[in-house]
Amino acid sequence: SYVLTQPPSVSVAPGKTARITCGGNNIGSKSVHWYQQKPGQAPVLVIYYDSDRPSGIPERFSGSNSGNTATLTISRVEAGDEADYYCQVWDSSSDHRGVFGGGTKLTVL
Amino acid sequence: QLQLQESGPGLVKPSETLSLTCTVSGGSISSSSYYWGWIRQPPGKGLEWIGSIYYSGSTYYNPSLKSRVTISVDTSKNQFSLKLSSVTAADTAVYYCARQIQYYDYIWGSYPPGGIDYWGQGTLVTVSS
Repeated sequence: SYVLTQPPSVSVAPGKTARITCGGNNIGSKSVHWYQQKPGQAPVLVIYYDSDRPSGIPERFSGSNSGNTATLTISRVEAGDEADYYCQVWDSSSDHRGVFGGGTKLTVL
Repeated sequence: QLQLQESGPGLVKPSETLSLTCTVSGGSISSSSYYWGWIRQPPGKGLEWIGSIYYSGSTYYNPSLKSRVTISVDTSKNQFSLKLSSVTAADTAVYYCARQIQYYDYIWGSYPPGGIDYWGQGTLVTVSS
């Protein structure tokens, strides 16, 4: 089955740039979606189709996807960005299933 | 504004069947552009996709749960439902219903579920005797 690998945690100072990676076999051939989840809340879509931003999501959030790694980049990080972030793809190659990464806890120092 | 609301028992006994319903308001479940899915999250853990359904009744299930899962849709009520049989403590989780955007997978020439743009608030289901 298809596996997505995320670092458990990323730390960044306010105003700096955070990069959260999502690794998977030839993930560049898939559409990657990213979610932000704050404690006690449902996840929120922040990037879809690798790099598109839903309305209402700040331009500070961007995404890229190539080869075996997709990346969520958060520029000018704010305290309010502290949350868990999950990547997600649809795997059509074998099981036809949705797959989530294990999640990354972003800590703003 | 689209809203999704989960409903169902918050406590289920081991070996019994977990049943949840998601009511969609502010939009039609019969839209051809979307799938409707269930995702769960055990306490303190990550997200797990359970399955998705199209308004026509076409379904996809997580292979690890497939033998125990049934997802159905009732377009007349604008609802879709989840049944998970033979539950154990490992099925204790917050269960979310959600809307997934259908997209074109140009590599496989198919139209699978993609990103999740609307989520319900989630409902905690505890499996315990």
